[in-house]
Amino acid sequence: AIQLTQSPSSLSASVGDRVSITCRASQAIRSALAWYQQKPGKPPKLLIYDASTLEGGVPSRFSGSGSGTDFTLTISSLQPEDFATYYCQQFADYPQVWSTFGQGTKLEIK
Amino acid sequence: QVSLKESGPALVKPTQTLTLTCAFSGFSLNTGGMRVSWIRQPPGKALEWLARIDWDDDKFYSTSLKTRLTISKDTSKNQVVLTMTNMDPVDTATYYCARTLIKGYDVWGQGTMVTVSS
Repeated sequence: AIQLTQSPSSLSASVGDRVSITCRASQAIRSALAWYQQKPGKPPKLLIYDASTLEGGVPSRFSGSGSGTDFTLTISSLQPEDFATYYCQQFADYPQVWSTFGQGTKLEIK
Repeated sequence: QVSLKESGPALVKPTQTLTLTCAFSGFSLNTGGMRVSWIRQPPGKALEWLARIDWDDDKFYSTSLKTRLTISKDTSKNQVVLTMTNMDPVDTATYYCARTLIKGYDVWGQGTMVTVSS
């Protein structure tokens, strides 16, 4: 099974900072990767799919890049509402099998 | 507007069977390409995908939980049901259902917390 490893596991940053979160797949998954944001007590929210396509309504300060095994979620200028936990998800075997999540990256206020 | 809502018992005893219902609106599981997945999240831990059912009644299960899970749909009621047998305290989690498209899980329910305890 394809494993996803996110780094770092946690991150402290300030409003206005540029931050990046990495997701590494145990084998190549083309661009079959999504990113989610989850706030405490809430379900995850889809931010990015196909590694770099922004879901409708998601602010443009969020961006995704990568293909193959290495992927990055970047927030260009952190806003107070961005402090949350972020998960990557792969669906390389779609539609036969779905899916694997990364272990999450908690983004905290410095 | 697409929405999903999970329901089920908040507390189950070890060895019991858990039955969860996902009631959805705004789309039909009769429509080609539509799918619904179940995902769970133990307190303070990561998301874990459990199962998925497709518009054509194809079903997929987590390899590690496959023997304990059954997913089904009732398209007339716009519901998806997940059963999990032989519940254990480690199954304590918030259980989510989500509409599943080729791009990802685009709409999620609010989740239902299930505690396994005697």
